[in-house]
Amino acid sequence: EAGVAQSPRYKIIEKRQSVAFWCNPISGHATLYWYQQILGQGPKLLIQFQNNGVVDDSQLPKDRFSAERLKGVDSTLKIQPAKLEDSAVYLCASSLVQGAGETQYFGPGTRLLVL
Amino acid sequence: QKEVEQNSGPLSVPEGAIASLNCTYSDRVSQSFFWYRQYSGKSPELIMSIYSNGDKEDGRFTAQLNKASQYVSLLIRDSQPSDSATYLCAVNGGAQKLVFGQGTRLTINP
Repeated sequence: EAGVAQSPRYKIIEKRQSVAFWCNPISGHATLYWYQQILGQGPKLLIQFQNNGVVDDSQLPKDRFSAERLKGVDSTLKIQPAKLEDSAVYLCASSLVQGAGETQYFGPGTRLLVL
Repeated sequence: QKEVEQNSGPLSVPEGAIASLNCTYSDRVSQSFFWYRQYSGKSPELIMSIYSNGDKEDGRFTAQLNKASQYVSLLIRDSQPSDSATYLCAVNGGAQKLVFGQGTRLTINP
């Protein structure tokens, strides 16, 4: 079974530029998550999708971050304009269904450096 | 108070010894508890999940949960150098979302 795929793996941009990340979850997984992991910290949930609907985006900085999950499969996360403090690893995860006990499987992440 | 708290370490343990990692959480309605291992530069990988009070063993790993004390721990027996990593405690509470601690960096010394 293929895992969660993410691209690009690395991205370097200057502040105020825009950037987009792509995620393809494990086949059949209805729930998709985007996390931000700043160096030395645990992952922080940005947004959670159930199929193509948003379940939780309470910690997404909506003035600069946006995300969509078209057709309930792939997802993109966009930052526009980027700030220095957005430098982090952006992790995508998926789970079969939404639920308290569901295991989340993580992709390799995209490392973003904002200069 | 942070929702999930861990000692950031580093925790240094000699090879073959028992490594003990601890985590406390603040949300009393939390239902599910997870331990993820994260090697440097890699993504988190699930190693243990626990849902009820008591111990759960899987090979060299034992997870312990005490809901009354809002405490979850991970024991690694016969520690190996390959166990050197950051261990993330994650709790799924009433909001149905996973909240991670900051992680404990574990180093196993040969």
